[in-house]
Amino acid sequence: DIVMTQTPLSSPVTLGQPASISCRSSQSLVFSDGNTYLSWLQQRPGQPPRLLIYKISNRFSGVPDRFSGSGAGTDFTLKISRVEAEDVGVYYCMQATQFPYTFGQGTKLEIK
Amino acid sequence: EVQLVESGGGLAQPGGSLRLSCAASGFSFSTYPMIWVRQAPGRGLEWVAYISTRFSIIHYADSVKGRFTISSDNAKTSLFLQVNSLRDEDTAVYYCARVWQGNSGVDYWGQGTLVTVSS
Repeated sequence: DIVMTQTPLSSPVTLGQPASISCRSSQSLVFSDGNTYLSWLQQRPGQPPRLLIYKISNRFSGVPDRFSGSGAGTDFTLKISRVEAEDVGVYYCMQATQFPYTFGQGTKLEIK
Repeated sequence: EVQLVESGGGLAQPGGSLRLSCAASGFSFSTYPMIWVRQAPGRGLEWVAYISTRFSIIHYADSVKGRFTISSDNAKTSLFLQVNSLRDEDTAVYYCARVWQGNSGVDYWGQGTLVTVSS
């Protein structure tokens, strides 16, 4: 199974400041079709997860442009350029390159 | 509007069974793979099962293989998860979700249904 490791597990951030979350996979996430099926999800308190970023760096419909994704191979990053109060929650990376799908442990974003 | 609505959760005894359902609407159900993901109280997300009726593909997490069965009814646009031989560690909120553009992402999620396994 591909193990997804996120850092940090907790991120206190000041409103208006940037935030960054890293995700590392135990093996390359490049699929045989050349795509890398790494996505980022946000889970606000009491809510189901929500897709933010797919295939490393593509923002899903309706996602604010302060969210961006980058990386390649086994190392990936989610960045929030200016954190807003509504961004509080837990962020997960997820790989769908290989079964079983696996998630990172989650990073809790909170406001200082 | 895409909607996924789970039902069927509840309290079950260890060794017991439940049948979870997910009613889908607002999209061409038969053309999308679907998955079940669970989240134990205060814990992270765990993928449980995958089904693509279009390509006749089913996959399970090792932790549920042989005990859980995923299925779907395209006519009723519904997804199911039969959960048998329940264990304490199966206690979780179970979400159904849609897989989008191949494996690009899981783009729509239901609100979840809580399964509690306890004697």
